[in-house]
Amino acid sequence: NAGVTQTPKFQVLKTGQSMTLQCAQDMNHEYMSWYRQDPGMGLRLIHYSVGAGITDQGEVPNGYNVSRSTTEDFPLRLLSAAPSQTSVYFCASSYRHRNEKLFFGSGTQLSVL
Amino acid sequence: AQTVTQSQPEMSVQEAETVTLSCTYDTSENNYYLFWYKQPPSRQMILVIRQEAYKQQNATENRFSVNFQKAAKSFSLKISDSQLGDTAMYFCAFMLPLQGAQKLVFGQGTRLTINP
Repeated sequence: NAGVTQTPKFQVLKTGQSMTLQCAQDMNHEYMSWYRQDPGMGLRLIHYSVGAGITDQGEVPNGYNVSRSTTEDFPLRLLSAAPSQTSVYFCASSYRHRNEKLFFGSGTQLSVL
Repeated sequence: AQTVTQSQPEMSVQEAETVTLSCTYDTSENNYYLFWYKQPPSRQMILVIRQEAYKQQNATENRFSVNFQKAAKSFSLKISDSQLGDTAMYFCAFMLPLQGAQKLVFGQGTRLTINP
């Protein structure tokens, strides 16, 4: 079972570059979300989705875009990367009726120079 | 807004000892979930234990147990007979079931080191 798959695992960008962090799950989960992890701050919610075609903002959405065209995929886009976006990014998913049980991806380490 | 506070940035104990990690939270809601997640050096987020606020009984999972004090808004994690593999970052997290959609609020984390 693949679970939640994130790619890439590591990425280095220059300020102003754009990129997309990929997240895919094969468990037919309705809910998907993106978190960022910074030292001393735990994980903070960026964006989330309750189903295909539905997305909403979390605690720290600025500088990030998302879309949910399929149940399986939930990509996170950085349109113009900034050093403040250097972080570890986690994707997570769950069933709508068991949303207390989250499945996390293995994370993407992003550095913006 | 809900907040979660872990006041111990780092802790270190000897193997086989018992260690307790502290967590406090702030909410005006009555029904919610609390979690402890473990993050080893592999970076994977692993659910350790989960507590539903309406349940008075403290949750236990093998060597892991919690002390849930709802009135005090406290949710500590006790690790008994600690093992080298318990070395990790530990995060306390809060979720409102009505919000669902994985709107977890995390604490800052406690780095736990188990020494041989």
